[in-house]
Amino acid sequence: NAGVTQTPKFQVLKTGQSMTLQCAQDMNHEYMSWYRQDPGMGLRLIHYSVGAGITDQGEVPNGYNVSRSTTEDFPLRLLSAAPSQTSVYFCASSPMQSYNEQFFGPGTRLTVL
Amino acid sequence: AQTVTQSQPEMSVQEAETVTLSCTYDTSESDYYLFWYKQPPSRQMILVIRQEAYKQQNATENRFSVNFQKAAKSFSLKISDSQLGDAAMYFCAYRSAYDYKLSFGAGTTVTVRA
Repeated sequence: NAGVTQTPKFQVLKTGQSMTLQCAQDMNHEYMSWYRQDPGMGLRLIHYSVGAGITDQGEVPNGYNVSRSTTEDFPLRLLSAAPSQTSVYFCASSPMQSYNEQFFGPGTRLTVL
Repeated sequence: AQTVTQSQPEMSVQEAETVTLSCTYDTSESDYYLFWYKQPPSRQMILVIRQEAYKQQNATENRFSVNFQKAAKSFSLKISDSQLGDAAMYFCAYRSAYDYKLSFGAGTTVTVRA
């Protein structure tokens, strides 16, 4: 199993550009989520999904969209990038069973100029 | 989101010694899970240890152990016999038993001196 994969690993955008961060998992996990990591703030939840066709907002959803058309994929879209979205983004997945840990992807470092 | 507080931004430990990282959390729930994640310079998030709130016994994983004080809402991590490979940022995280969202603390950077 590849686990949770994310592409790209690094990205530089200009203010106002849009892009999609890709996330895929091959473990048949129902739950998937996106976090952003900023210095001194830990990881904060952006959006999450409990299965195909179902998404919901986390703690910091503004400026981001998600969709979940398949169990495997959970892309994160930046609609109009802003410098405040400069961050490291992590995708995570887990089975829908109590107690289970979340498995994290390797992260994407995004810089918005 | 639940509030998770890690009051130590940085900790330094001599190789082979013991270091304890503190974590407190705020919740009104009685059923939840607590986790410690390690993030080395590679950026990968690695689960170190987890604790179910309904278990009174503290979790241990090799050189890693926790001191879970439910009434005090405290969940500290002890790293024994510290090794150079333990150098990383450590995050404490909370998850309610009724959903799957993780709330993280701000992290503690651990430096191991040779």
